[in-house]
Amino acid sequence: GAVVSQHPSWVICKSGTSVKIECRSLDFQATTMFWYRQFPKQSLMLMATSNEGSKATYEQGVEKDKFLINHASLTLSTLTVTSAHPEDSSFYICSARLAGLYPYNEQFFGPGTRLTVL
Amino acid sequence: QQPVQSPQAVILREGEDAVINCSSSKALYSVHWYRQKHGEAPVFLMILLKGGEQKGHEKISASFNEKKQQSSLYLTASQLSYSGTYFCGTESPDNYGQNFVFGPGTRLSVLP
Repeated sequence: GAVVSQHPSWVICKSGTSVKIECRSLDFQATTMFWYRQFPKQSLMLMATSNEGSKATYEQGVEKDKFLINHASLTLSTLTVTSAHPEDSSFYICSARLAGLYPYNEQFFGPGTRLTVL
Repeated sequence: QQPVQSPQAVILREGEDAVINCSSSKALYSVHWYRQKHGEAPVFLMILLKGGEQKGHEKISASFNEKKQQSSLYLTASQLSYSGTYFCGTESPDNYGQNFVFGPGTRLSVLP
């Protein structure tokens, strides 16, 4: 199956700093990538949809100036958490949709990045 | 709108069967099932398209009743490795080709 990687796997940072998380599709081109946040024992909550070459679409309640998303190529999307605070601590997961796989809209998930803000 | 999953949690002995249900108030184009183990990303299990599709892999199968707007995941003769949280992701005509909407999850624990 298609492989999606995330880097780093975990990060611990001080409050007020910015953290960048990378999401890569390793063996396929992804026109669309999704960023999710998951708090303990809760479901995946979509934060934003990232399309290559265009601005990301953010879900209601997600601050676009705080969570910067860049989808520079068909294999790479980055999420930058700016001025991180302890409440931003969470498990961040990206997924990528395989282009042209009609009628299936299958998403492949990365392994996730655990962010801890002190 | 988030689909509803039932039960919220289930505990089984190895070898027992389980059924997890996912229902939506919206018409569905497809249902996607994932299993997530603690601290890991969700792993894809299967996709079901509208039209009364049923499919299975080894001892895990699923059905999709588009009239009832629900899907069921069947775990037969459960193994210890089946433990985890199961999520259904739904795709409706108004978000086709975009994101899924995930249910709250069903926590499955298989005991020896």
